[in-house]
Amino acid sequence: DTGVSQDPRHKITKRGQNVTFRCDPISEHNRLYWYRQTLGQGPEFLTYFQNEAQLEKSRLLSDRFSAERPKGSFSTLEIQRTEQGDSAMYLCASSLGQGSEAFFGQGTRLTVV
Amino acid sequence: AQSVTQLDSQVPVFEEAPVELRCNYSSSVSVYLFWYVQYPNQGLQLLLKYLSGSTLVESINGFEAEFNKSQTSFHLRKPSVHISDTAEYFCAVGYGGSQGNLIFGKGTKLSVKP
Repeated sequence: DTGVSQDPRHKITKRGQNVTFRCDPISEHNRLYWYRQTLGQGPEFLTYFQNEAQLEKSRLLSDRFSAERPKGSFSTLEIQRTEQGDSAMYLCASSLGQGSEAFFGQGTRLTVV
Repeated sequence: AQSVTQLDSQVPVFEEAPVELRCNYSSSVSVYLFWYVQYPNQGLQLLLKYLSGSTLVESINGFEAEFNKSQTSFHLRKPSVHISDTAEYFCAVGYGGSQGNLIFGKGTKLSVKP
């Protein structure tokens, strides 16, 4: 198992464009988490899934953001009409269950120009 | 609301010197406590964690942290640092009995100089 995989690693986009990131969790991990980390800050929780169900969404997740995990395996995070303030590292993590250790991917760095 | 405060944004230290990275949290309920390390352009790696039991927890590379409930602290220490310890360190609180629902501090950049 290669751990949590995120794609792409880097993305540069023009303001107003839509972007989609993918996260492949560790096999059999039923929980999947998304975080956002801006420069000089710690990661901030965005949302998480238990299998395919999205159980919690942060207020940081505006209506331009949507996350899915259709089959309870990989997840996508889409940002519509990107803004410069969306520039950040987007981190994905997965865990076997609620009380299990979470493992983080290497992140997708988004730059909006 | 729960929060995590890392009192030092940057800590420069010479190689082989001891170091302490401070972390305080606010919570009225039992929490899980974590230290993560992040190397440049990398994701987060779990360094150590406190879930229950012994208040002193250790990592495999010589770091340790002590859970102090009365002071709501979880400071990270290492008696002798190496150049390779240069990284950013994040303290985090897990809530809802989860190790993945985390509130992070803003991080402390540890710079180890020769």
